This record gives sequence, structure tokens and C-alpha cells, in this order.
Amino acid sequence: DAKTTQPTSMDCAEGRAANLPCNHSTISGNEYVYWYRQIHSQGPQYIIHGLKNNETNEMASLIITEDRKSSTLILPHATLRDTAVYYCIVRVSGGGADGLTFGKGTHLIIQP
Amino acid sequence: DTAVSQTPKYLVTQMGNDKSIKCEQNLGHDTMYWYKQDSKKFLKIMFSYNNKELIINETVPNRFSPKSPDKAHLNLHINSLELGDSAVYFCASSRIKSTDTQYFGPGTRLTVL
Repeated sequence: DAKTTQPTSMDCAEGRAANLPCNHSTISGNEYVYWYRQIHSQGPQYIIHGLKNNETNEMASLIITEDRKSSTLILPHATLRDTAVYYCIVRVSGGGADGLTFGKGTHLIIQP
Repeated sequence: DTAVSQTPKYLVTQMGNDKSIKCEQNLGHDTMYWYKQDSKKFLKIMFSYNNKELIINETVPNRFSPKSPDKAHLNLHINSLELGDSAVYFCASSRIKSTDTQYFGPGTRLTVL
């Protein structure tokens, strides 16, 4: 799986959009970008994933650059409950039973 | 209903003891996992099971033995506990055809004294 690089920490004001960047310059053509988050003392939670096109669901939006070497997770209206460590993971989709490879992630702190 | 549950939530024990952590999922998934999160917060895969068969064993000491009585359960038994085994252990599950979306349990915090 390709390696990812994320900022160690970020702050965002409550109610504003939180934009979390991720670099994955060695991503392969068949690798997807996944985002998970871990709220303090809880298990990781799936957020969203995508291959090439931008994706949106009820939790967030995922913007992937045209060259696919980087992406941004957007939480449109951050709340205090969004304070968590966010993990960007790149991997081949489907098949097999591979575990997820978590990096250090970005600690997002939502400020009141 | 809880999708992936683990028991116990906290486990404090002495070095050298043998202990088990239980995991159950009610999502109908056929693949289950154990992850370990150490004190530095690194989260690493330990095992994965598909249809009760071991798929991945990531350089985990053989003191750790996963047991899957059926597709809905994956228990973790640890023999001769060591101080370095202190960590939070997370169980997860997914469908084999969609292993990307893994659902995690709440974790079991193991403290070895």
C-alpha cells in the first residue's frame, strides 16, 4: 500500500469547514483513498473513500486531485464532536482480508 | 444494537497470567480482525480471519492465539502476559468483498502489572 503524509495536528473553529490534507504521491492506479477517524477512547470509524472522482456522503466530502497525488477531506460544518484523529489510508479496494495500515494521522481539534 | 462488541472493556491482570478478550459482530460479516493500539497510539493489524480461517498473522508472538468458533465471533487468547502486552485491543469486521469499510468495536484496554 502507498504511503501517506498528513499534518500532525490542525485546529478549526466550530461551525467552519475543516479541510484535512493528505499527500500520497506514490499511489498506484488501482489504489483508493480512504479516510477513517478515531474519537478519543473509541474504535476507528469509517468516513469516506474514493478513487478518482470527488465523493460526498452524510459525513464529509473527499476531493482528490487530478493526478491523484493528494486529497482533502472536508467536514463542511465542524462540531466539537468532530475532534478526533483522522487517518488517510491508501489501498487496493476489495478482495482479500488485508488489515488497514494506519499512519500517525492528523489530530483535528475543533475550537468552540 | 451494537454492531461490533467486545468484552471486557477493561482488563487488569498480573504478568504471567492467561486472559481472553471476546468479540462479536451482528453485521453478518465474514471477515474479522484484531488490531493493537500501543501507548504511542499506533494502530496495527494483528490477525484477520475469513470464514473462521486465519488469513493474516502479522508477526505476532505465538502467545497470542485467535479463536473463531463461528463467523460472528473472534476471540483473542493471550498466554503468559507480559508488560509489553499492555495496550488497547480493537476487534473489527467487514465483508470479504468490501474489506475497505471495516467496523470497529469499542476496544479493550489491557493493563499488565
